[in-house]
Amino acid sequence: NAGVTQTPKFQVLKTGQSMTLQCAQDMNHEYMSWYRQDPGMGLRLIHYSVGAGITDQGEVPNGYNVSRSTTEDFPLRLLSAAPSQTSVYFCASRLQGATNEKLFFGSGTQLSVL
Amino acid sequence: RKEVEQDPGPFNVPEGATVAFNCTYSNSASQSFFWYRQDCRKEPKLLMSVYSSGNEDGRFTAQLNRASQYISLLIRDSKLSDSATYLCVVSLDRGSTLGRLYFGRGTQLTVWP
Repeated sequence: NAGVTQTPKFQVLKTGQSMTLQCAQDMNHEYMSWYRQDPGMGLRLIHYSVGAGITDQGEVPNGYNVSRSTTEDFPLRLLSAAPSQTSVYFCASRLQGATNEKLFFGSGTQLSVL
Repeated sequence: RKEVEQDPGPFNVPEGATVAFNCTYSNSASQSFFWYRQDCRKEPKLLMSVYSSGNEDGRFTAQLNRASQYISLLIRDSKLSDSATYLCVVSLDRGSTLGRLYFGRGTQLTVWP
């Protein structure tokens, strides 16, 4: 069991470039999500999904797109990167339907937009 | 107003000390509560869930006060390895399909020898 795998670990982009952050989990979790973490701001939810074909917006969705074509994968797309998107990004997943279910995190992607 | 508020600290305590963190949440419909631990530049990891009756896991005790809408974490006999940031997490959903979790900013703890 690899758990939640995020790639890449580090990325530098120029303003206006596009890229996709990859997230995969092998635990058959229905719920997957993307967070960004900025100093002094805590973790903020970008987008989440409760199953294949279902996605919804979180607190800070602007500038990001997601899709969920399979249970395992939940990529995050930056269509036109901006310096304000410089942050650490975490993908997380968990089972649905159980009280106090643990959230499993990937190891994070440090993104810098110049 | 943020969904979850935490005192960011930092808390600097000597080994063996007892330290307590508090966290308040704004939505009275919140159902599930957690404490996560995050080491520097690492991903958050679940420390413990918080139940209405309170729960204990070794040196760690979590309490929930629904009337006042706050959660606490008590660490007894602090170890150097307890140095980390502690995140308070609240969910509106009890295992439903929505599953949104709200994170506090985190409370930084440093335990010194």
